[in-house]
Amino acid sequence: DQQVKQNSPSLSVQEGRISILNCDYTNSMFDYFLWYKKYPAEGPTFLISISSIKDKNEDGRFTVFLNKSAKHLSLHIVPSQPGDSAVYFCAASNTGTASKLTFGTGTRLQVTL
Amino acid sequence: DVKVTQSSRYLVKRTGEKVFLECVQDMDHENMFWYRQDPGLGLRLIYFSYDVKMKEKGDIPEGYSVSREKKERFSLILESASTNQTSMYLCASSPGQGVYEQYFGPGTRLTVT
Repeated sequence: DQQVKQNSPSLSVQEGRISILNCDYTNSMFDYFLWYKKYPAEGPTFLISISSIKDKNEDGRFTVFLNKSAKHLSLHIVPSQPGDSAVYFCAASNTGTASKLTFGTGTRLQVTL
Repeated sequence: DVKVTQSSRYLVKRTGEKVFLECVQDMDHENMFWYRQDPGLGLRLIYFSYDVKMKEKGDIPEGYSVSREKKERFSLILESASTNQTSMYLCASSPGQGVYEQYFGPGTRLTVT
C-alpha cells in the first residue's frame, strides 16, 4: 500500500520556467513533509520541509505548499535551472514514530535549455 | 557538514553469499536507516535503529538483518544473497530529538549474480 504517491514519473520544463512537482498521501497521521533531490550515483539530499501547521514554506527558488484537506503537497521551483535536473522524492513522517520517513516513488525532472 | 559514508560504491556477489554493507556517520546522530532504491518503487525502508544495539524492522526486512554495536556504525547483512536483492542500498542518519531530516550516504550498487 503506497501511502505517499508521486503520480508523474517524469517532467520536462524549459530553463527559466516554473517546475511544479506533486505528491499525494493517504495517511492522515502524517504531520511533517520533506522533499529530497537525487542525482545519479549519489545519495538523496534534503531540499525543503514543511510542518502540517503551515501551508507554505519558502527557501530561495524552492517553495513547498501543503493542502491538508486534499492530502496534497507540491514543490515549486522558480526559475528552473539545468542543474535542477534530478529525481525528486517527497517524504512524509508521523512525528510520533522515531523519525521514520515514508518516501514516494520519485519524479524525474529535466530542465531543458 | 554531516558525512555519511558507505563502505563500497559497487559490489558484485554470488547467490548464496553472505554480504555485509557498512555505514558510518560522523555527527553523533541517534537514528540510522537502511533503504533500498529500485526503479518505480522509490526508497523503501529495510531496517532502522534509534539507539546502539536497538533495531526495528522497516517495510521490507525479509532476507536482511542489521547490527549497531557503536553509535556511529550501522551494518546491513544479507544472510544469503539472492538475485532479487540486486539494488541500490542507501544508508541515512538523523539527529533524532524532534529533527526529522535524514542525511544520506552515496549508496552501494549491489549486483547479485
